[in-house]
Amino acid sequence: DADVTQTPRNRITKTGKRIMLECSQTKGHDRMYWYRQDPGLGLRLIYYSFDVKDINKGEISDGYSVSRQAQAKFSLSLESAIPNQTALYFCATSETSRYGYTFGSGTRLTVV
Amino acid sequence: DQQVKQNSPSLSVQEGRISILNCDYTNSMFDYFLWYKKYPAEGPTFLISISSIKDKNEDGRFTVFLNKSAKHLSLHIVPSQPGDSAVYFCAASEGNAGNMLTFGGGTRLMVKP
Repeated sequence: DADVTQTPRNRITKTGKRIMLECSQTKGHDRMYWYRQDPGLGLRLIYYSFDVKDINKGEISDGYSVSRQAQAKFSLSLESAIPNQTALYFCATSETSRYGYTFGSGTRLTVV
Repeated sequence: DQQVKQNSPSLSVQEGRISILNCDYTNSMFDYFLWYKKYPAEGPTFLISISSIKDKNEDGRFTVFLNKSAKHLSLHIVPSQPGDSAVYFCAASEGNAGNMLTFGGGTRLMVKP
């Protein structure tokens, strides 16, 4: 089993729909993150959580929300999807960034 | 404004030659730097890192150089192999800011056989 599992791997949804992306990790780390990747812009931080009771906004949190259901689970929701949220989404976990992040394989989301 | 920039979106090199990927940063408080490699349909994977107290770190074919005065780091791959073809992301963190990673835009490396 992968250390970080993201579901679904691919999703096409319509504008205005609510959608949830899920992430679970088996590393036992407290820190979890959601990033989106757009061509030329690299990985931009959406939300992060340092433990179950901690939720923080990242660089581009507008239009997104998260839920940390347990140490191992961190889900990302798009409240009302719009086409410019079409991107590749990555979940990651870490002890601290000194040791790097472990990423999931990504969710490719298309909003039509 | 991007604090970490990779100005070359792509790079093509011949197998066996050296690949040099560059990264510039603007935040002088960054004190730890990392490189990640990403293959299609996979998440980024950690490759190599360097602390700001060093100017070089080697791991096999991969070497990262840090020039703090120029706010520049580079990743050297010698010799380059076709399996190194991937997107490479530079990342930086600031210890006093919770060690969050800030990523560059990535450079696509193509190693030709």
